[in-house]
Amino acid sequence: EAQVTQNPRYLITVTGKKLTVTCSQNMNHEYMSWYRQDPGLGLRQIYYSMNVEVTDKGDVPEGYKVSRKEKRNFPLILESPSPNQTSLYFCASSFGGSSTDTQYFGPGTRLTVL
Amino acid sequence: SQQGEEDPQALSIQEGENATMNCSYKTSINNLQWYRQNSGRGLVHLILIRSNEREKHSGRLRVTLDTSKKSSSLLITASRAADTASYFCATDSSNDYKLSFGAGTTVTVRA
Repeated sequence: EAQVTQNPRYLITVTGKKLTVTCSQNMNHEYMSWYRQDPGLGLRQIYYSMNVEVTDKGDVPEGYKVSRKEKRNFPLILESPSPNQTSLYFCASSFGGSSTDTQYFGPGTRLTVL
Repeated sequence: SQQGEEDPQALSIQEGENATMNCSYKTSINNLQWYRQNSGRGLVHLILIRSNEREKHSGRLRVTLDTSKKSSSLLITASRAADTASYFCATDSSNDYKLSFGAGTTVTVRA
């Protein structure tokens, strides 16, 4: 089954404790991205990747890192999480990065930073 | 980056009724997509409409695009309880093909 998976689905952590949210897709998609969703603000893009070893900042990249060492994986790293990073996070992938491409979303990771 | 704005923020209708929501954007676009999100889950693509198209249909969904008014509408006909979800429009801009999402319209279909 074609899908985007994220782990963990739920995470409660404390300020400053480094964490990684994994994202994997099995559709051989070139383009992957991370979004955060906050009430009233919609989805805001954090980082995106056009291909292996190619990543770029989205609209809200501060406090996040990503890597794209393999085509299927695109982990999101919070080196020193803060309470304002409490949010619902989505990984998405698409064939290309064009606005004609359908984006496939993972199930989401609900992160709480205390 | 550009972001579409959906209107209304929330909508409550009776099963069987039609639901209409709108998306307005600020600058010219190449493409506009609509997505659905069931509570707390990932978004699912519904339909793509290109700037040279005025209307598209997919099952019970009808999407229109008025580039002169910089707006799009999504109509769900004969709504069902399973249509209860949030609906998002995603737009690019004429010089950037990257998608930006709005804040969404939350639709509740009452049985």
